[in-house]
Amino acid sequence: SAVISQKPSRDICQRGTSLTIQCQVDSQVTMMFWYRQQPGQSLTLIATANQGSEATYESGFVIDKFPISRPNLTFSTLTVSNMSPEDSSIYLCSVRQGADGGAFFGQGTRLTVV
Amino acid sequence: RKEVEQDPGPFNVPEGATVAFNCTYSNSASQSFFWYRQDCRKEPKLLMSVYSSGNEDGRFTAQLNRASQYISLLIRDSKLSDSATYLCVVNNQGGKLIFGQGTELSVKP
Repeated sequence: SAVISQKPSRDICQRGTSLTIQCQVDSQVTMMFWYRQQPGQSLTLIATANQGSEATYESGFVIDKFPISRPNLTFSTLTVSNMSPEDSSIYLCSVRQGADGGAFFGQGTRLTVV
Repeated sequence: RKEVEQDPGPFNVPEGATVAFNCTYSNSASQSFFWYRQDCRKEPKLLMSVYSSGNEDGRFTAQLNRASQYISLLIRDSKLSDSATYLCVVNNQGGKLIFGQGTELSVKP
């Protein structure tokens, strides 16, 4: 399995600011995803990070709020923009090697917006 | 109806018990299936894939019934270290993984 480094591991941010989360993988991967896990909830897919093109967002998530970059096959960033307390959550980077395989996750970023 | 639904839990069992988790999915075109384990304040980790013929990994047995759109996970001889939340995960078209809400297991001495 790939080794995934995600940072920061946690942050406390003021409302109205933005935070960029980085995800670095130790090998090239075809598929990278960003998930959100709100307190006491399961994981919700935010978007698929596409290498060299715009991310594909799920219903309820938009690029202006969650811009994503993926400049190459080993790195991606997720920005949480204009934060509000409702954005307090754990954000997780995930990779898959193939369309039928399982996913592996970064350690997550625990975000608290005050 | 949620795409993936699990037993609500929590399950509180004594050490050595056998416990079974159930999961149903709504999309009949789903292609692959997994069980994940998530410890408190940690990321989910792949426990096992679920194959059509059923598969076993030590004390863990996973089964899939495509006709009923049903997946199960059986844990035999429960250990204290099995305490975690177990997530049923379904791979829909396009490679998206859909997560169930999770079932919490607490194994007591």
